Amino acid sequence: RKEVEQDPGPFNVPEGATVAFNCTYSNSASQSFFWYRQDCRKEPKLLMSVYSSGNEDGRFTAQLNRASQYISLLIRDSKLSDSATYLCVVKLTTADKLIFGTGTRLQVFP
Amino acid sequence: DTAVSQTPKYLVTQMGNDKSIKCEQNLGHDTMYWYKQDSKKFLKIMFSYNNKELIINETVPNRFSPKSPDKAHLNLHINSLELGDSAVYFCASSQDFRDHGYTFGSGTRLTVV
Repeated sequence: RKEVEQDPGPFNVPEGATVAFNCTYSNSASQSFFWYRQDCRKEPKLLMSVYSSGNEDGRFTAQLNRASQYISLLIRDSKLSDSATYLCVVKLTTADKLIFGTGTRLQVFP
Repeated sequence: DTAVSQTPKYLVTQMGNDKSIKCEQNLGHDTMYWYKQDSKKFLKIMFSYNNKELIINETVPNRFSPKSPDKAHLNLHINSLELGDSAVYFCASSQDFRDHGYTFGSGTRLTVV
């Protein structure tokens, strides 16, 4: 079983739509949580950290459920420029390394 | 100013050759990493160095040898290249990891023919 699991998609949504991505992680020693964005043939870039109380950054809202070992990302009012792969990422208490999910591909169409 | 820079951006080479990829960060971070992204787009850590000291070696074949001459540089040397080494290699750095995650370089696309 992969340490971080995501639905690979693709999610094809029209501009203006709301879309949600989910992610589950298997190691209860996971300490920190992030969503990264990766555009085609580019490096991953940090989109937002995920905090236990949930957090919002503009159109993006992240939620964490430690009991269920579940992380989500909600994107409201999708833009064409949101088209990318969204990577769910965790870090364990036991090692300074990021563990990546395989990513969920989002395609926003006009 | 590029925060984490890698060279070369593209590398095409024959099986059996030895090649190096260089990485430099100007962020003043203490920790640097090498990640490999395979053809299925899965990103996996290979090595991490903290202040020139090897911290993580994630069961990578010993044909791969990282070298950190100082905390701003982490190079990756690969001996006897194999077809399966073809991938994108990303360098990254971090400081206050818990809050800010890593900053990645733009990647080196290695193709072994």
